[in-house]
Amino acid sequence: AQKITQTQPGMFVQEKEAVTLDCTYDTSDPSYGLFWYKQPSSGEMIFLIYQGSYDQQNATEGRYSLNFQKARKSANLVISASQLGDSAMYFCAMREYFPADKLIFGTGTRLQVFP
Amino acid sequence: GAVVSQHPSWVICKSGTSVKIECRSLDFQATTMFWYRQFPKQSLMLMATSNEGSKATYEQGVEKDKFLINHASLTLSTLTVTSAHPEDSSFYICSARRPGQGAKNIQYFGAGTRLSVL
Repeated sequence: AQKITQTQPGMFVQEKEAVTLDCTYDTSDPSYGLFWYKQPSSGEMIFLIYQGSYDQQNATEGRYSLNFQKARKSANLVISASQLGDSAMYFCAMREYFPADKLIFGTGTRLQVFP
Repeated sequence: GAVVSQHPSWVICKSGTSVKIECRSLDFQATTMFWYRQFPKQSLMLMATSNEGSKATYEQGVEKDKFLINHASLTLSTLTVTSAHPEDSSFYICSARRPGQGAKNIQYFGAGTRLSVL
């Protein structure tokens, strides 16, 4: 079974609008971490935001916020005031600790911002 | 600026030759680094976890004799693709985990290496 699911292969948003990228995860461990990364066409993976499983509040980093709904096992990324430079692939990832400490990535969502 | 440096960014080699890719952590000492492979329009596939001073832990299906990983210092890990063949052509990307952040421990990524084997 997929541990990280991103159901939107592609999304379009107009400049200055907000957009939500979906991510659901599956784990039975009580301790885990959720990450979002941006991968522009250059290929580099850029860290955006982190949410710990025990964090009570939703994480925010500038224009990025994470809508963390633990009971639903979802960790959606919200980008406010989209910019043309936001066009990229976005990957959701989960850090699990057992049986091995590693990040598991979703399949990604390609976001296109248009003027 | 980048906290993880990866070189080269692009390499073309002949079939049968070996290629070495370097991954350097610039801002912190990384006891743990990771090597991923990414096929076009796909997600990252973890190849191996590299621990400083010990043998790398390879994911199932990854040939350790084919993809040699050395993590000789806290700031440098190398991936050597031995006897490369066209099917090894891919995008390889490394990451370093920043220590001391508790559960957060962000993984910072290099810019990747595009390998083309002729």
